[in-house]
Amino acid sequence: SQKIEQNSEALNIQEGKTATLTCNYTNYSPAYLQWYRQDPGRGPVFLLLIRENEKEKRKERLKVTFDTTLKQSLFHITASQPADSATYLCALDINNDMRFGAGTRLTVKP
Amino acid sequence: DAMVIQNPRYQVTQFGKPVTLSCSQTLNHNVMYWYQQKSSQAPKLLFHYYDKDFNNEADTPDNFQSRRPNTSFCFLDIRSPGLGDAAMYLCATSRVQGDTEAFFGQGTRLTVV
Repeated sequence: SQKIEQNSEALNIQEGKTATLTCNYTNYSPAYLQWYRQDPGRGPVFLLLIRENEKEKRKERLKVTFDTTLKQSLFHITASQPADSATYLCALDINNDMRFGAGTRLTVKP
Repeated sequence: DAMVIQNPRYQVTQFGKPVTLSCSQTLNHNVMYWYQQKSSQAPKLLFHYYDKDFNNEADTPDNFQSRRPNTSFCFLDIRSPGLGDAAMYLCATSRVQGDTEAFFGQGTRLTVV
């Protein structure tokens, strides 16, 4: 069966540093991959979508890479701020349904 | 303006007592999803509608049912809630199925007592 793994449950970094979150998947080749932000007690909010033929996508301080050989996506937040503290979820297209990883809880300390 | 609205935000129900959660959207999207999310876990897809076509996940218990009377509204019915059904229930919509972002509601936190 397909598996989606996000590298760690929690990541703590200092304000101003770059946060790097990892999403690995097995037993599937998704056509695209998405990243969402989820704050406590709230629904996820879409951030970025990257397709299998795209290596990298950027949006302001966010950057996503997609390596279909490694079956991995990296999500970077540069110049991180305390307001970036949240859980970040990756989601894969599996048979046209969106399946999520468990997320990485990012804490940015001032 | 909220585009995907879930009601209520918090729901307390008794063990075994049927409960209905609702979701409405102003986006006119074809696809509506229901996810169950337990603490620190991935949102788990329960089922989705593409227009009126209903797609049930193989491991979604029969206890969970859904209705979509029109494009704007979708309901999640839990026929006999158990303690294990306590979770956040998330409704999401997307314009099409596949290569497009999804819009989520704020979720309904269900407590079973």
